[in-house]
Amino acid sequence: DGGITQSPKYLFRKEGQNVTLSCEQNLNHDAMYWYRQDPGQGLRLIYYSQIVNDFQKGDIAEGYSVSREKKESFPLTVTSAQKNPTAFYLCASSMSGVPYEQYFGPGTRLTVT
Amino acid sequence: KQEVTQIPAALSVPEGENLVLNCSFTDSAIYNLQWFRQDPGKGLTSLLLIQSSQREQTSGRLNASLDKSSGRSTLYIAASQPGDSATYLCAVMGNDMRFGAGTRLTVKP
Repeated sequence: DGGITQSPKYLFRKEGQNVTLSCEQNLNHDAMYWYRQDPGQGLRLIYYSQIVNDFQKGDIAEGYSVSREKKESFPLTVTSAQKNPTAFYLCASSMSGVPYEQYFGPGTRLTVT
Repeated sequence: KQEVTQIPAALSVPEGENLVLNCSFTDSAIYNLQWFRQDPGKGLTSLLLIQSSQREQTSGRLNASLDKSSGRSTLYIAASQPGDSATYLCAVMGNDMRFGAGTRLTVKP
């Protein structure tokens, strides 16, 4: 089955710890994206990557980091510098460029206490 | 900067009713508009994508329209069912993708 997987589904961390969220796709898409979703708000773009070894900041990149060493994988690290990291994180992918349809993974719920 | 608004934020209807969800956007220079469904704690499922050159798209009981000049899209759901209960989000693709906050739909049996 082609699709996007995110793991884990739920993640709990103590404040001050870095944590990495996994995103893998087997759709052969060039572009991948990370979004954050908070209650009552639309999705906000954290980082995106149009091609391997290249990525760009989105609207709320502060406190986050990414890597894109393989086409299939786009992990997101939530660092201790992120002031309010508890949220639902969604990964998406698409064919490269605009205006291709984005496909979303199931999400990871991160809770930091 | 593109802003996307969805009204109402929540909607409750009895089963069988036809309903319309609204999405408005401020910048008409878009490539496409996409409607998604999101169940609680889940990812987004794409329902319909309308290219900027199109006026509407249909899939089963769903029909989405786009009026780019007025910055509006509607998602029409015919003969609603309890299984349609979910949050519906619209997203506008311009230079980047901008999402509305969603409409939470409840269809009562």
